[in-house]
Amino acid sequence: NAGVTQTPKFQVLKTGQSMTLQCAQDMNHEYMSWYRQDPGMGLRLIHYSVGAGITDQGEVPNGYNVSRSTTEDFPLRLLSAAPSQTSVYFCATRAGASPLHFGNGTRLTVT
Amino acid sequence: DQQVKQNSPSLSVQEGRISILNCDYTNSMFDYFLWYKKYPAEGPTFLISISSIKDKNEDGRFTVFLNKSAKHLSLHIVPSQPGDSAVYFCAAKGMDTGRRALTFGSGTRLQVQP
Repeated sequence: NAGVTQTPKFQVLKTGQSMTLQCAQDMNHEYMSWYRQDPGMGLRLIHYSVGAGITDQGEVPNGYNVSRSTTEDFPLRLLSAAPSQTSVYFCATRAGASPLHFGNGTRLTVT
Repeated sequence: DQQVKQNSPSLSVQEGRISILNCDYTNSMFDYFLWYKKYPAEGPTFLISISSIKDKNEDGRFTVFLNKSAKHLSLHIVPSQPGDSAVYFCAAKGMDTGRRALTFGSGTRLQVQP
C-alpha cells in the first residue's frame, strides 16, 4: 500500500519552463490537495479537489493549474516557472473529515 | 496576515523532560485544530487533534490543550524522547474556510537532547 506517491522527488527548472508535478494515491480518497512549504510561511494551499472533475483554488493558486480526471491522480502544472515558485510541494489527501495524509514532497528549484 | 502563528521557530529540551509547543490563532471561526509532525525529507504526519467543544485531548505522551478565550493551543510531550525531534506544525480549520481547508502555522523545530 503506497499511500500518496509524488514524483519527481527533486526538480530543477529554468525560468519560463513548464512542468507537471505528479501525485497518485491508492486509498480511494475523494479529497486531494496541493500545498507548498516555504521557510517561515508554513504550508499554504495551492489547489484542491473534492472529487473527479471538480477542482478549486486555495490560498496561492496563481501560476499553477490542476485537473482531476480520475480519483487516483491530481497533477499540478507550472505553466511558466518563476524563481518565486522555488519551494517544496506536498500533495495531501483525505477521506471525509479525517486528517490529511501527505506524500513525501517534491523539492523544486527554479533558476 | 497569518491566521495561525507559531512564534517560536525552535525549541530544545532534554530527554525525559516536558516539551511545550505553542500556537496562537486569530480567526474566531476556527473550530478544529490539529498538530502535524514532520521529519526531514518526509511529508507531515498527523499527530493529534482537538475540537473546539473540548479543552484537552490526550493520546499517550501527547496532550493538546485549547484555550478558546485566549485563542491559544499548546502541545505537551511528556516525557520527550530523541525520536520526537522534528518540526511540528499547528493547523486549524473552520466553517468559513473553503471546503474546510487547513490553515497551517509556520512550524516549530523541536530538538530533544539525549
